[in-house]
Amino acid sequence: KAGVTQTPRYLIKTRGQQVTLSCSPISGHRSVSWYQQTPGQGLQFLFEYFSETQRNKGNFPGRFSGRQFSNSRSEMNVSTLELGDSALYLCASSSGAGYNEKLFFGSGTQLSVL
Amino acid sequence: SQQGEEDPQALSIQEGENATMNCSYKTSINNLQWYRQNSGRGLVHLILIRSNEREKHSGRLRVTLDTSKKSSSLLITASRAADTASYFCATVSGGSYIPTFGRGTSLIVHP
Repeated sequence: KAGVTQTPRYLIKTRGQQVTLSCSPISGHRSVSWYQQTPGQGLQFLFEYFSETQRNKGNFPGRFSGRQFSNSRSEMNVSTLELGDSALYLCASSSGAGYNEKLFFGSGTQLSVL
Repeated sequence: SQQGEEDPQALSIQEGENATMNCSYKTSINNLQWYRQNSGRGLVHLILIRSNEREKHSGRLRVTLDTSKKSSSLLITASRAADTASYFCATVSGGSYIPTFGRGTSLIVHP
C-alpha cells in the first residue's frame, strides 16, 4: 500500500497570504488528522475529518480550516498567514474506527512565513 | 495542550547501550502510544499499549505502563546509530480518538 502523501513538501509564503496543503491518506482509511509541529509548542492537534465531516477540532483560530473529499483526500487552508504559522504541518490517517488505532503520518509540509 | 510529557528532553548514548525514556500524563487514558520521528520527517508508530496492559515488547523495544503513577517508559536495548531520532509518547483519553502528543525526547546514539 502507498503511504500517506502530503504536498507540497516545502512552501514559502509572506504574511497576509493564504495557503492550501494537501493530504492523501492510505487507501481505505477514512480518518485524516492534521497536526502543527513547532520547536516551541511540539505537536498540536488542528482537526480530524472522518467521512467528509469534521469530527474533532483543536484550539486553533478560525484562520485554520480544512475539508475532506469523498475519496478521503483532505486539504487544510490557512488564511491571512502570520509569522507564527511557520511550522511543519503533518497529516495522519487511520481507519478511524476506534480508540486503539495507530496513526500513519505523511512526511509533512514545511511552511515558512516571511 | 500536551497530555504526555517525556523525560529526559535529550539523551546521548553510545552504540550498544540501552536507552530509557519516560512519559508522564495527567488524566486516565484508553491507551498510550510511542512514535519515532527522524529529523524533519513524519512520525512512525512504534508501540501501542492499552490501559489494562502493563508491558509490551516489539523487537528491541520494551514499553511499560503504570496507570497508578500515570507513567510509561520506553526502553530501547542495544541501541544503534540508526535509532537516533526524536521519540514521542501520545495518549488517547476519554471519548476522543485523537492522540495527544508530548514534546518528545531527542535521542542521539553515537557510533
